[in-house]
Amino acid sequence: DAMVIQNPRYQVTQFGKPVTLSCSQTLNHNVMYWYQQKSSQAPKLLFHYYDKDFNNEADTPDNFQSRRPNTSFCFLDIRSPGLGDAAMYLCATSSSQGAIFNGYTFGSGTRLTVV
Amino acid sequence: AQKVTQAQTEISVVEKEDVTLDCVYETRDTTYYLFWYKQPPSGELVFLIRRNSFDEQNEISGRYSWNFQKSTSSFNFTITASQVVDSAVYFCALIGNNAGNMLTFGGGTRLMVKP
Repeated sequence: DAMVIQNPRYQVTQFGKPVTLSCSQTLNHNVMYWYQQKSSQAPKLLFHYYDKDFNNEADTPDNFQSRRPNTSFCFLDIRSPGLGDAAMYLCATSSSQGAIFNGYTFGSGTRLTVV
Repeated sequence: AQKVTQAQTEISVVEKEDVTLDCVYETRDTTYYLFWYKQPPSGELVFLIRRNSFDEQNEISGRYSWNFQKSTSSFNFTITASQVVDSAVYFCALIGNNAGNMLTFGGGTRLMVKP
């Protein structure tokens, strides 16, 4: 089945040690998103790629970076994780063809713990 | 600007009771999409329904039903004969046609179904 896959499902990293979360998709969707979701809160958009164009949300910390080497893969890099970065990170994709919106597909998420 | 409000932060019911989760939205777009997602304790976001702004028909899917009323900007979700497996956080979300496919989430409603 076409889907959005996030690896790993659980990630433990040390305070200050760079960490990379990965997302891959088999849907051939042109838009990919990264959301951060802290406990008891709604998901918050960090950034998204529209094709190769990177779009950063104004309040996303510089500590968070992203790469999209091709249509299928997107990575979230946290350069120096702090305790406050512990959260669920959700990847999503969507397909946009002019005014036609085909909906979002979410991955299962990566739960990041910072120790 | 888009906004989604889920006034109920937490609801507790006993199994087999019916329960309605409220969702009120704001958008200036004339074309928009409304969604409901379920997030069980495992963390993934499970898509439940998508409704576009031109389709005000109510929908029923098994024990789930949705009531979309443009006049009151509401998109409420009812679970009939609730079960313990329905325990989760439920998010209502909105995308406006001019919002660049950016999904706006409500704050979520935590539903606890007790046996």
